[in-house]
Amino acid sequence: EVQLVQSGAEVKQPGESLKISCKGSGYTFTSYWIGWVRQVPGKGLEWMGIIYPGDSDTRHSPSFQGQVTISVDKSINAAHLQWSSLKASDTAIYYCARRDPGLYFFEYWGQGTLVTVSS
Amino acid sequence: SYELTQPPSVSVSPGQTARITCSGDALSKQYVYWYQQKPGQAPVVVIYKDSERSSGIPERFSGSSSGTTVTLTISGVQAEDEADYYCQSADSDGGNWVFGGGTKLTVV
Repeated sequence: EVQLVQSGAEVKQPGESLKISCKGSGYTFTSYWIGWVRQVPGKGLEWMGIIYPGDSDTRHSPSFQGQVTISVDKSINAAHLQWSSLKASDTAIYYCARRDPGLYFFEYWGQGTLVTVSS
Repeated sequence: SYELTQPPSVSVSPGQTARITCSGDALSKQYVYWYQQKPGQAPVVVIYKDSERSSGIPERFSGSSSGTTVTLTISGVQAEDEADYYCQSADSDGGNWVFGGGTKLTVV
């Protein structure tokens, strides 16, 4: 069974750094693209970017380029989303999701990680 | 980049047909995918490749495409279909994806 399990909720102050994770299981982790989607509370879905764990090939949404870092750690079958300096506007639920192997959509989703940035 | 436009809300009575549209200039060339999101849950894909129903999705869900507009149709709407629905597409090499703004389906 394919599963994507995300790290727990975080509460941070503006300016702090953060790395959240998404651990895949039940499939060959390095063979499927993993993406990240942001959802501000009460708002819609926003595609942030996607990474291929096999070679770390990464594509970013122009809206998020330079704002976050997407990476993988193949040794533990995990994808990461990282901020170097959080802002209050980063408060959101962040979902990881696995791309369908042949088409451009997300077939499996993690449960989401709520990130709250507040002073 | 490009945009996908959805109506913010659609309301139907149980048993009626709900139609949710998604429009965008690139949709005549790229596939559209539809997700259902219920409160507190991650999205679930209901339709892929414009009109293919995802595994386990009831037959009352269907998709169609005409030019630059795609439509998600839910026939015989049930109370459990009340949710937010998002369309999604990608550019030709998959390097940039976009979601529509979402449509809240209310079953009244």
